[in-house]
Amino acid sequence: QKEVEQDPGPLSVPEGAIVSLNCTYSNSAFQYFMWYRQYSRKGPELLMYTYSSGNKEDGRFTAQVDKSSKYISLFIRDSQPSDSATYLCAMSPTGGGNKLTFGTGTQLKVEL
Amino acid sequence: DTGVSQNPRHKITKRGQNVTFRCDPISEHNRLYWYRQTLGQGPEFLTYFQNEAQLEKSRLLSDRFSAERPKGSFSTLEIQRTEQGDSAMYLCASSFTGTQHGYTFGSGTRLTVV
Repeated sequence: QKEVEQDPGPLSVPEGAIVSLNCTYSNSAFQYFMWYRQYSRKGPELLMYTYSSGNKEDGRFTAQVDKSSKYISLFIRDSQPSDSATYLCAMSPTGGGNKLTFGTGTQLKVEL
Repeated sequence: DTGVSQNPRHKITKRGQNVTFRCDPISEHNRLYWYRQTLGQGPEFLTYFQNEAQLEKSRLLSDRFSAERPKGSFSTLEIQRTEQGDSAMYLCASSFTGTQHGYTFGSGTRLTVV
């Protein structure tokens, strides 16, 4: 079993929809949680960075962490075609720029 | 400074040949990481440097792989005697020690072994 599980999709939604992306994990030592967006043939780009449990909002994006359930989510409001990409969750037991364990990524397509 | 730069962007090589990739991190970042990503998978950690010191290597990094970061600036990743299973995207990233903002990735080098 992988330490981080993520549904690979693909997930297809109409423009303007609310998108929910999720990851589960097994390592209770993970404390730092990130979401990256990756466009085709590009490197991952950091979207959200959270520590421990709780919510964090940045524009149309909200990240949630529930450590008791070992479950993290990313919500995208008012989704746009430009949001079409692969979304990767990543996590680490410590901050300070240490190595990350990634999920497999969820491929999202937002259609006009 | 425009971010993390990786060269070449694409490399096609014959099985058994050696290849070398280069990564130029963001200049003020002291940590540099190499990851490998295959199709449909997330990036997998290979190794990282703090300044010129290589602090950790993954079990994924066989003896055919070697990475260096002379003078704590750019880094090279060499693969000797390439195999078809080495075909992947090789990603470099950099960060500060103690960063609370994750790291910045480059666009990667896509290796195809034929």
